[in-house]
This record gives sequence, structure tokens and C-alpha cells, in this order.
Amino acid sequence: DTEVTQTPKHLVMGMTNKKSLKCEQHMGHRAMYWYKQKAKKPPELMFVYSYEKLSINESVPSRFSPECPNSSLLNLHLHALQPEDSALYLCASSQRDSQETQYFGPGTRLLVL
Amino acid sequence: QKEVEQNSGPLSVPEGAIASLNCTYSDRGSQSFFWYRQYSGKSPELIMFIYSNGDKEDGRFTAQLNKASQYVSLLIRDSQPSDSATYLCAVYTGGFKTIFGAGTRLFVKA
Repeated sequence: DTEVTQTPKHLVMGMTNKKSLKCEQHMGHRAMYWYKQKAKKPPELMFVYSYEKLSINESVPSRFSPECPNSSLLNLHLHALQPEDSALYLCASSQRDSQETQYFGPGTRLLVL
Repeated sequence: QKEVEQNSGPLSVPEGAIASLNCTYSDRGSQSFFWYRQYSGKSPELIMFIYSNGDKEDGRFTAQLNKASQYVSLLIRDSQPSDSATYLCAVYTGGFKTIFGAGTRLFVKA
């Protein structure tokens, strides 16, 4: 099983809202990733958690706040987003690091009004 | 600046033909190479990975890696309309970072 799940599939939020994106995997992977993808662009790395510790923050604005409650779950908390943050947010996981294959979830399509 | 370059396409091939997708990368220390397929509005789906120089075959797909020339390619034999998608080349460069190319759009004509 190489399934990564993400909820919700779609999210519309205003600039003053607080919302969270959720990601879950049960493959025993110890590395989890958040990517942002704009239309017709490649995925851009935002955050990497390795063994439940934040390993990489690619200079992401503080209005995005990641959390890794346990080895299977990854959250992305959103607050005071801007319209330009509208994108497809992808979660991925790999066994230990991205030298190994990353498996992507279906993504959350976010629209900020 | 580590880079991964792909021709954006679109690459148009007739059904049944071989589609050849190419990718070059700048970091000689790159260790792992991946091809993902992405349908419009969907997430990337792994097609192939390759670590060593040479060819790796999986069904209709063959990945080719030449580290000396810093390129990796994907051949799709007997192309089908369902292969029409954007193909992303991804290169692991170390430190948890995988860099994605901008993708090549493939269109297979029935």
C-alpha cells in the first residue's frame, strides 16, 4: 500500500480565516513533506519532517505553520493567507529521506478569497 | 543554484509511437532520479526511479541515466492516449531536497 491521504480535497477560505490541512500515511515512512504547486509549475518544497522533527523550512511565511503530531500525521495550519497563496497543496512521504521515492497524496486545492 | 531542465513541450506523438522525454540537471552530486506523471488537476504519480547509470525498464517505460552527461530520459513505448499528461523529472540533490523540473506536456493522438 502506497497511499497518502489528504483532507480536505478542496478548501475556500477568507483572508482572516484559520484552517488546517491534514495528511496521513500508514506506510511506516519517517519523512513527510509539504509542497505547494501553482498551475503549470512544478511542486515547490515548503517543509520537511524527519522522524517527527522539522528538518527543512524553505523560508515559508509564518502564516503557514506545520505540525507533525506523530509519525503518521502531518498538518499544515493556515492563518491570514493571501490570495496568492491559492494553489494545490501536496503532502508526500518517503521511508527516511527524499533520496528514496516520495509518494504523493491527492492534494488539497486551496482558494483564498 | 541547482537546476533541473525539461523541454516544456507539448510533445505530440501518434498512438503506438515511442515518446522520448529528456531532462538535464546541474548538480553532479545528484544521487537519485525520478519520473512522475501528473494529470491535470491531480497529484504527481511515480512512474520510474533510477539510481545507476544505464537503462531501467518497467513495462512500456524505460528510464535512462547518464551521470557523466548529467541527463536522464524516459521512453514510453506503444504510447496510448491515456499517457497524455505532464511528466515531471525530479532529482534528489541531498539534504532532503528533491528538485522538480517544470515538466514536459505529452499529447498522444489517437
